[in-house]
Amino acid sequence: LAKTTQPISMDSYEGQEVNITCSHNNIATNDYITWYQQFPSQGPRFIIQGYKTKVTNEVASLFIPADRKSSTLSLPRVSLSDTAVYYCLVGPFREDSGGSNYKLTFGKGTLLTVNP
Amino acid sequence: EPEVTQTPSHQVTQMGQEVILRCVPISNHLYFYWYRQILGQKVEFLVSFYNNEISEKSEIFDDQFSVERPDGSNFTLKIRSTKLEDSAMYFCASSERAGWGDTQYFGPGTRLTVL
Repeated sequence: LAKTTQPISMDSYEGQEVNITCSHNNIATNDYITWYQQFPSQGPRFIIQGYKTKVTNEVASLFIPADRKSSTLSLPRVSLSDTAVYYCLVGPFREDSGGSNYKLTFGKGTLLTVNP
Repeated sequence: EPEVTQTPSHQVTQMGQEVILRCVPISNHLYFYWYRQILGQKVEFLVSFYNNEISEKSEIFDDQFSVERPDGSNFTLKIRSTKLEDSAMYFCASSERAGWGDTQYFGPGTRLTVL
């Protein structure tokens, strides 16, 4: 799996847009980029996934440049409840192989603290 | 929205005792996982499970650990003889398909404290 690098922590204020960038210089052609969110004392939660250009859902946007060596998770107008650790994961998206589950490998993530 | 549930939320045990952590995955999911997170550290993969068999296990998942799907809804993690270093949050997850990109849905976790 490609190694990822993201900031250890970020601070923001309510109502601001937050962009968290993840570097993955060794990303492979068939790798996808996935972001998970983890609130204190809870399990990780899937936020968004993409392969190239831009993906948007009701929670966030994911921007991936043409070379795919980095990606940026964008959270619009954050609130206090967005304080969490955000993980960038990179790995091959494969079809169901009939039993070979794929484990997720988490790094340390980025602790986003939203202040009032 | 369907969710993964785990019981108990907090388990306190004495070193050397056996514990069983329970999980109810999302009903139509076929792929199951256990992860753990020691306080202040990364989420670590323990084991994956499909079709009543272990698909993959990490180095952490030694002979003291076992998993079972005793019926059509529960998925359990057993630690036979707990050690102090087993103290952690244990998360169960499930997915509909096995691909890396397929979303894994995590439960709220069981906090295991070994005294």
